Amino acid sequence: DTGVSQDPRHKITKRGQNVTFRCDPISEHNRLYWYRQTLGQGPEFLTYFQNEAQLEKSRLLSDRFSAERPKGSFSTLEIQRTEQGDSAMYLCASSGDGEQYFGPGTRLTVT
Amino acid sequence: DQQVKQNSPSLSVQEGRISILNCDYTNSMFDYFLWYKKYPAEGPTFLISISSIKDKNEDGRFTVFLNKSAKHLSLHIVPSQPGDSAVYFCAASAGFGNEKLTFGTGTRLTIIP
Repeated sequence: DTGVSQDPRHKITKRGQNVTFRCDPISEHNRLYWYRQTLGQGPEFLTYFQNEAQLEKSRLLSDRFSAERPKGSFSTLEIQRTEQGDSAMYLCASSGDGEQYFGPGTRLTVT
Repeated sequence: DQQVKQNSPSLSVQEGRISILNCDYTNSMFDYFLWYKKYPAEGPTFLISISSIKDKNEDGRFTVFLNKSAKHLSLHIVPSQPGDSAVYFCAASAGFGNEKLTFGTGTRLTIIP
């Protein structure tokens, strides 16, 4: 399977802890996106990379959030000092010259 | 503010009939529109897209119509099949879908056998 993969699929953490998620895009895709989806809502854009450069960040991405894409391949999204409001599905997508293809997501629950 | 709106949270359609899902947008800068389908515990799957230079795009059982003056698009599925039961998201971007996508809140489609 050469689709977008995300790890872990589920994460339960206590408030105040740090968490890190990983996304592996489709190998020939140079763009990588992070979105967040909460219950009853559509995915909301967080940030995106072209190769290793982070080109845009949403105002939703507070300073507790940081994303990296070293070497333009996989990406990580870290959330520091998690809050209950961070509970959501975190989706990664990648694209080449066309549409964005999504991974299965990481469901984060902050207790 | 919600720049992409799907006003029907749910829709039920008899198998074999036509399903019509609607979407409205407010941002005049949007020039590329997409429909995604989502099953539980999976990420959204791309279905079909349309550029603002067109008013219709067809792919098999799926057709998307765009009315730029009304800032409205719709997805037609015909004939509807039980496997089409899912949540459908409308999305828009200012730039061929390679830029950030703005999603609607989704419509849950249920196909009744």
